Amino acid sequence: GQQLNQSPQSMFIQEGEDVSMNCTSSSIFNTWLWYKQDPGEGPVLLIALYKAGELTSNGRLTAQFGITRKDSFLNISASIPSDVGIYFCAGQLRAGGTSYGKLTFGQGTILTVHP
Amino acid sequence: DTGVSQNPRHKITKRGQNVTFRCDPISEHNRLYWYRQTLGQGPEFLTYFQNEAQLEKSRLLSDRFSAERPKGSFSTLEIQRTEQGDSAMYLCASSPPRTGLNSPLHFGNGTRLTVT
Repeated sequence: GQQLNQSPQSMFIQEGEDVSMNCTSSSIFNTWLWYKQDPGEGPVLLIALYKAGELTSNGRLTAQFGITRKDSFLNISASIPSDVGIYFCAGQLRAGGTSYGKLTFGQGTILTVHP
Repeated sequence: DTGVSQNPRHKITKRGQNVTFRCDPISEHNRLYWYRQTLGQGPEFLTYFQNEAQLEKSRLLSDRFSAERPKGSFSTLEIQRTEQGDSAMYLCASSPPRTGLNSPLHFGNGTRLTVT
């Protein structure tokens, strides 16, 4: 099935460092979301972006909705060991019409934080 | 716990057997989605319910797969004559009714299926 292009695939960083990951698509989305998934668990929503150009923060996390509506990035500042996990971007079309609000996911970025 | 609940968490079955998974969405969420996630990949959409109506099915959902949501609350996903390629994490998600802006999906912890 279709997936978004997410990069990097993996990152190994030291505690305290900042992290940046991004997601691109050939299609336009109305909403961009970022999820974190721990092993054996379901994805947990981190940030939702609803407008092109929107910049939203959630604690140490900051995400932006690209102005072309075809990309988004997520930054994590001052990383800590519990940031370890897999981060997924997801694009969502408007729930009206035939999209029904379903998500299209990227392949994920595996983040490892060394203490 | 008022999140999305999925049972069982793990299921090991032999090839050819039938399996059924259950999803209980967040109360009052009328939208329910099933996704499949294989190792190293993001979740892929399988099917969508709005209340009790199944409104969309992915091409990934072969005729061996069937999903129901008879009363518009919990949902079941059944796989008949399982194959080794069906081994994956099956995730359920729900979202509330909302006009205008989209509603983010809230995921359960999934059912991990292993077909031997």
